[in-house]
Amino acid sequence: QVQLQESGPGLVRPSETLSLTCAVSGYSITNGFHWDWIRQSPGKGLEWIGSLWHSGTTSYNPSLKSRVTISMDTSENQFSLKVISVTAADTAVYFCARGVIAAHYFDPWGQGTLVTVSS
Amino acid sequence: QSALTQPASVSGSPGQSITISCTGAASDLNVYNYVSWYQQHPDKAPKLIIFAVTKRPSGVSTRFSGSKSANTASLTISGLQAEDEADYYCSSYTRGNILLFGGGTKLTVL
Repeated sequence: QVQLQESGPGLVRPSETLSLTCAVSGYSITNGFHWDWIRQSPGKGLEWIGSLWHSGTTSYNPSLKSRVTISMDTSENQFSLKVISVTAADTAVYFCARGVIAAHYFDPWGQGTLVTVSS
Repeated sequence: QSALTQPASVSGSPGQSITISCTGAASDLNVYNYVSWYQQHPDKAPKLIIFAVTKRPSGVSTRFSGSKSANTASLTISGLQAEDEADYYCSSYTRGNILLFGGGTKLTVL
């Protein structure tokens, strides 16, 4: 059974870099699928951040592309998110999820981790 | 980047059926059959309930069904139950390997 678990700092200062990791168990991230980050600001809807394909190719939400990097660590079977120059608008629960390539849906999801941007 | 539009809220009584719409650009929903739906209870991660427009994952109740006509996808929940009260989100793939989410619909079971 595939499981995903997000980890990282819960508080980031404005203008600094947000860094999160998603540890994957039960499946190799190089064995197919795309691996995604999705966020949800407090009381708001879901926002897709970007995908990391098993081949290493990435695609990003055009509204965030200039500030976001998703990368993989095959030795640890995990993938990571970095968002530079954060502001209060980046405060959100960040979810990682597995994306099924054949039909581009997300399943399963991690439980999510709250990141607050504040000084 | 195009958006997916959902009603902010819908409601129904136990036993009734409700439908949530998800409208997007013709260049997205009309071209790709990659619409999925997610159920999210408060403080929980979203859960996949429909993928590829009409398919249900194993373990998801048959009371949930999906459809699509032109640039509008729909989620229908029949035989409403109290446990169905949640937020529902549609998602679609679009060109350039971009994924979109709708703004979400809050379902209230009266």
